[in-house]
Amino acid sequence: DIQMTQSPSSLSASVGDRVTITCRASQGIRNDLGWYQQQPGKAPKRLIYDASTLQSGVPSRFSGSGSGTEFTLRISSLQPEDFATYYCLQQNSYPFTFGPGTKVDIK
Amino acid sequence: EVKLVESGGGLVQPGGSLRLSCEDSGFTFSRNWMTWVRQAPGKGLEWVANMNPDGSQKNYVDSVKGRFTISRDNAKNSLYLQMNSLTAEDTAVYYCVSLGNWGQGTLVTVSS
Repeated sequence: DIQMTQSPSSLSASVGDRVTITCRASQGIRNDLGWYQQQPGKAPKRLIYDASTLQSGVPSRFSGSGSGTEFTLRISSLQPEDFATYYCLQQNSYPFTFGPGTKVDIK
Repeated sequence: EVKLVESGGGLVQPGGSLRLSCEDSGFTFSRNWMTWVRQAPGKGLEWVANMNPDGSQKNYVDSVKGRFTISRDNAKNSLYLQMNSLTAEDTAVYYCVSLGNWGQGTLVTVSS
């Protein structure tokens, strides 16, 4: 199975900050990666697919990049509603696997 | 827009069975891959299984192979997850997912 790691596991940031989250795959997965946001008590929501394609309706402050084994989710200017946990998901090889998550909270 | 509604969760004893359902109110169900994802209390997300549009391809995470069966009825816009031989490790909220859209989840608790 492909193992996914995320860094950092948590971070504290302020409204307006630029935030970067990294996801690494144990082997190459081309660009078969998505990013998901989960607010407390809610179902996850897809932000990015195919590593860099913004899901319809998602604000443009979110962006994704990377291919192969290293991927990045960036939030250009953190908003109050962005405090949440973020997960990456590889969809290159079965079983698909999520990263362990990165919790973004308020500094 | 796709709206997914799960049902069928509840409390079940270890070794028991449960069948989850997911109804899709959209118009493209029969053309979409469908997925089940679960989340144990206080834990991260775990991909469980998926199925292609005509039901000929099914994929599972190792921990549920031989115990869980994913199926669908395209005439009813519905996805199912038959769960047998349940253990405490299967306790989780189970989400139905399609095209990046998620249902609200249904809680399965395995306990005596």
